[in-house]
Amino acid sequence: SQTIHQWPATLVQPVGSPLSLECTVEGTSNPNLYWYRQAAGRGLQLLFYSVGIGQISSEVPQNLSASRPQDRQFILSSKKLLLSDSGFYLCAWTLISGNTIYFGEGSWLTVV
Amino acid sequence: EDKVVQSPLSLVVHEGDTVTLNCSYEVTNFRSLLWYKQEKKAPTFLFMLTSSGIEKKSGRLSSILDKKELFSILNITATQTGDSAVYLCAVEGHTGKLIFGQGTTLQVKP
Repeated sequence: SQTIHQWPATLVQPVGSPLSLECTVEGTSNPNLYWYRQAAGRGLQLLFYSVGIGQISSEVPQNLSASRPQDRQFILSSKKLLLSDSGFYLCAWTLISGNTIYFGEGSWLTVV
Repeated sequence: EDKVVQSPLSLVVHEGDTVTLNCSYEVTNFRSLLWYKQEKKAPTFLFMLTSSGIEKKSGRLSSILDKKELFSILNITATQTGDSAVYLCAVEGHTGKLIFGQGTTLQVKP
């Protein structure tokens, strides 16, 4: 069966500290992978998407970055967090054939 | 610029009412439009629409797509308090990009 794991589930980090959120997909190959952020009242904002290993498209200029070191692994990082980075982060995947999107459990990030 | 716009942003109704949620879009190389329900954490899938004029139905929920006018509607009949949630519309392009609207927050009062 196909599953997606995202961690950590919650994170409290001081301003200026680094960030690493990780997402892995099981049971499928060559998925499209996405990172979204959901700030209160603002819906799901697309941050990055990837259609293959090492292929990252950035949608919003910011101090975050993404990497895809393996086919089913997607990592969201920051070298120095800002207060405005606080929010709910969701990893997701779809198949290139246009199937529905599947979400990870989400990560609550609070920058203090 | 690709965008997805949902309306209304919020809605309060009473049990038994029928609601219609709207989603309009401008996306390069449209492939599909998806509706999701989000209650607490990750959204859950409701419908995927790819063809105009074909209604998708699941219980009290239904949805239809108009690719000429670039919009979709989600209908919920005989609403229940359990329908209270944020409803998200997303549009997928052939490049793999998937963009969400702001969501519509629906509150159903007893």
